[in-house]
Amino acid sequence: KAGVTQTPRYLIKTRGQQVTLSCSPISGHRSVSWYQQTPGQGLQFLFEYFSETQRNKGNFPGRFSGRQFSNSRSEMNVSTLELGDSALYLCASSQTSGGVNEQFFGPGTRLTVL
Amino acid sequence: GEDVEQSLFLSVREGDSSVINCTYTDSSSTYLYWYKQEPGAGLQLLTYIFSNMDMKQDQRLTVLLNKKDKHLSLRIADTQTGDSAIYFCAEKAGDSSYKLIFGSGTRLLVRP
Repeated sequence: KAGVTQTPRYLIKTRGQQVTLSCSPISGHRSVSWYQQTPGQGLQFLFEYFSETQRNKGNFPGRFSGRQFSNSRSEMNVSTLELGDSALYLCASSQTSGGVNEQFFGPGTRLTVL
Repeated sequence: GEDVEQSLFLSVREGDSSVINCTYTDSSSTYLYWYKQEPGAGLQLLTYIFSNMDMKQDQRLTVLLNKKDKHLSLRIADTQTGDSAIYFCAEKAGDSSYKLIFGSGTRLLVRP
């Protein structure tokens, strides 16, 4: 079974631009979560989608948004990029959104904002 | 509130046991997890423990949970150089959706 894939793997943008990151979950998984990882703040939860509905949102400004498609693929968008948005963005998929269900992480997209 | 704390660094000699500690604050946590992150990679789920358990063993890994003290530990037996990585503990937030609260990570260095 293929793992979680994220595209692109690396991205360089300038302040003020916007960016869209993509995540394809493991086949059959319906829940997709996004996390931001930075050296200063560590791993922080962004949002979680299940069956195209956002179930949870972390404490991030409205510039961060996401969506999930009917095939469970998910995208996240960051508008008006700031230097502090430079981070590794990780996506994780699981079969359901509750219980112990294991979350499988993708390799991440490293975003650099200049 | 939700907070997970870990020590930042641990160095052990190859063949010794490693013990990585973690404390959490959310008493309603139902599941606690240990993840491993190697350089340039995403997170790999190593193991998890349900909050009504005290211990779970999985090959070289032993997880101990002290729910009263909200203390979680991961013991790696016969630590190998390939175990060098950052280890994160995480708790599942007390609601029904899949939000994980991560600690800051413990960097494990295994010396030959």
